Amino acid sequence: AQSVTQLGSHVSVSEGALVLLRCNYSSSVPPYLFWYVQYPNQGLQLLLKYTSAATLVKGINGFEAEFKKSETSFHLTKPSAHMSDAAEYFCAVSLSQGGKLIFGQGTELSVKP
Amino acid sequence: EPEVTQTPSHQVTQMGQEVILRCVPISNHLYFYWYRQILGQKVEFLVSFYNNEISEKSEIFDDQFSVERPDGSNFTLKIRSTKLEDSAMYFCASSDYGESNSLSTDTQYFGPGTRLTVL
Repeated sequence: AQSVTQLGSHVSVSEGALVLLRCNYSSSVPPYLFWYVQYPNQGLQLLLKYTSAATLVKGINGFEAEFKKSETSFHLTKPSAHMSDAAEYFCAVSLSQGGKLIFGQGTELSVKP
Repeated sequence: EPEVTQTPSHQVTQMGQEVILRCVPISNHLYFYWYRQILGQKVEFLVSFYNNEISEKSEIFDDQFSVERPDGSNFTLKIRSTKLEDSAMYFCASSDYGESNSLSTDTQYFGPGTRLTVL
């Protein structure tokens, strides 16, 4: 069965610093991988997705993620954090297009001035 | 930009009561989903719905739960007899489906959620 593990329930960075949010997955077939962001009192918004095209995926707001099959990872990065990036970030996997999403437990990102 | 909407934003009910959570998916989407997040836990899949029938459901989605698309625009989740452990944030999502790798195709768009509190 597929699963997702996000290392670190809470990550704190300084404004301008590199953001790295870790995600490892387990899947019996080539997965579809997603990162969603949730701002306070809002729904989940898609940041980016991997669907077996390029392994380096660029998303919205300057975020990107790299699919590494050998490491079963899909870590999310942003070169320079902004105060507005403070939110909860969820990694998710699906076995098929349109299939159910299996989520990680989420990582809360704090950005210090 | 089209978005998924959900009502109410917060519902408080007594244990044993029926609740109906409502969602209006994005208008041209054909796939609909319900997820829930118990406080402090992961977002969990409940059910997916396509072509007026359930396409997949989780073990959480037992006989107490049902879904319906009553009028071609709304998508509802009914809990017949609520339990304390049903207290959670419930998210509705919708998606289209296609072969394109564009960000919007085959992306599940989520609503803001309904917080259900069972007393």
